[in-house]
Amino acid sequence: GAGVSQSPSNKVTEKGKDVELRCDPISGHTALYWYRQSLGQGLEFLIYFQGNSAPDKSGLPSDRFSAERTGGSVSTLTIQRTQQEDSAVYLCASSSRTSGGPGETQYFGPGTRLLVL
Amino acid sequence: AQKITQTQPGMFVQEKEAVTLDCTYDTSDPSYGLFWYKQPSSGEMIFLIYQGSYDQQNATEGRYSLNFQKARKSANLVISASQLGDSAMYFCAMRGRQGAQKLVFGQGTRLTINP
Repeated sequence: GAGVSQSPSNKVTEKGKDVELRCDPISGHTALYWYRQSLGQGLEFLIYFQGNSAPDKSGLPSDRFSAERTGGSVSTLTIQRTQQEDSAVYLCASSSRTSGGPGETQYFGPGTRLLVL
Repeated sequence: AQKITQTQPGMFVQEKEAVTLDCTYDTSDPSYGLFWYKQPSSGEMIFLIYQGSYDQQNATEGRYSLNFQKARKSANLVISASQLGDSAMYFCAMRGRQGAQKLVFGQGTRLTINP
């Protein structure tokens, strides 16, 4: 597709269940990012993938959070044993990573709204 | 560490007026980029404009311009001739060359355009 796509758009789950969120980046973009936006807050960085390099996991809030990127394209963010504080909008972004400089624009998907009951 | 500060939680402006959204930043990176994103009620983050720290001129994109004052570490967004469709949350963000490739975001400003 033309833009970043994410699924599902909404997810309601019970506390303690595992959830998987999917991101399909813009075709040809080698860099992929996950962010979390809690209610009324700015965006919080979670994890970054670039090509075949080891991902930057410095933003993951706990070991219940993990992510993978298969074939350099689609990424899945997994939250195990969900807690109510995990309720947020999870946004995925991608960039073309052509220059490696600070000016690479990240393009965002529509997000997945996660509600943990 | 990088930090973005947006001091205006909410702004109310009459349609067709110009509006300035404030953004100040802090970084030790000599090279960095500043971004503005718009987030309408649908939730998607829409890229508006970019300013590089070494750019000599202020960035402009249609009705959007960035008032970049490097010495004051400010990167205010100016929207000219505001429209009802401009009502949204606006986020200022920055990214440095060193360290993680993440964007660091401010808390956002909710802009409401009144008819």
